[in-house]
Amino acid sequence: NAGVTQTPKFQVLKTGQSMTLQCAQDMNHNSMYWYRQDPGMGLRLIYYSASEGTTDKGEVPNGYNVSRLNKREFSLRLESAAPSQTSVYFCASVWDYRGYEQYFGPGTRLTVT
Amino acid sequence: GENVEQHPSTLSVQEGDSAVIKCTYSDSASNYFPWYKQELGKRPQLIIDIRSNVGEKKDQRIAVTLNKTAKHFSLHITETQPEDSAVYFCAASGSGNTGKLIFGQGTTLQVKP
Repeated sequence: NAGVTQTPKFQVLKTGQSMTLQCAQDMNHNSMYWYRQDPGMGLRLIYYSASEGTTDKGEVPNGYNVSRLNKREFSLRLESAAPSQTSVYFCASVWDYRGYEQYFGPGTRLTVT
Repeated sequence: GENVEQHPSTLSVQEGDSAVIKCTYSDSASNYFPWYKQELGKRPQLIIDIRSNVGEKKDQRIAVTLNKTAKHFSLHITETQPEDSAVYFCAASGSGNTGKLIFGQGTTLQVKP
């Protein structure tokens, strides 16, 4: 049981380049989330998918898009990367939206130059 | 909007002392309050959580208290050990049936041997 996995672990992009961060979970969880973590700002929600087939904006969605490919996979896309998107990105999943432990992936450290 | 304030941002204690971290939340509909511990370079991991129908919960050296009227909850760690050194995040459930969590800014706890 791998839990929540993310690829890649590290990435360096130039301003304007695009990339997709991948997230997968093998716990049969229904809800999945993308956060970014910046120093002194905690974890901020970018997008989430409360159930397969639905996605919604979180607190900081600008510059990002998501796809819930199936129940297991939830990807985050940066269409035109900007230095302000330099951050650590965490994917998380939870069995049910009614308030249970969110399990986090190991994170992707992204630098945009 | 939804907001969680966490204090203090840094906390230094001697081994064996107690540590207290406090959070306030803005959405009176929040009903789930987890605490996460994040070691350097690692993913956040749940250490304890509490629901709105409970005032206090304990797990060995860790306890959480909730005051719904004041919209305030706290983490208490007793008999601190060097391995408790980490960043601690509080969170409150967001609006709607989404499973969203709104995180505090984090507290860096240092336990000195």
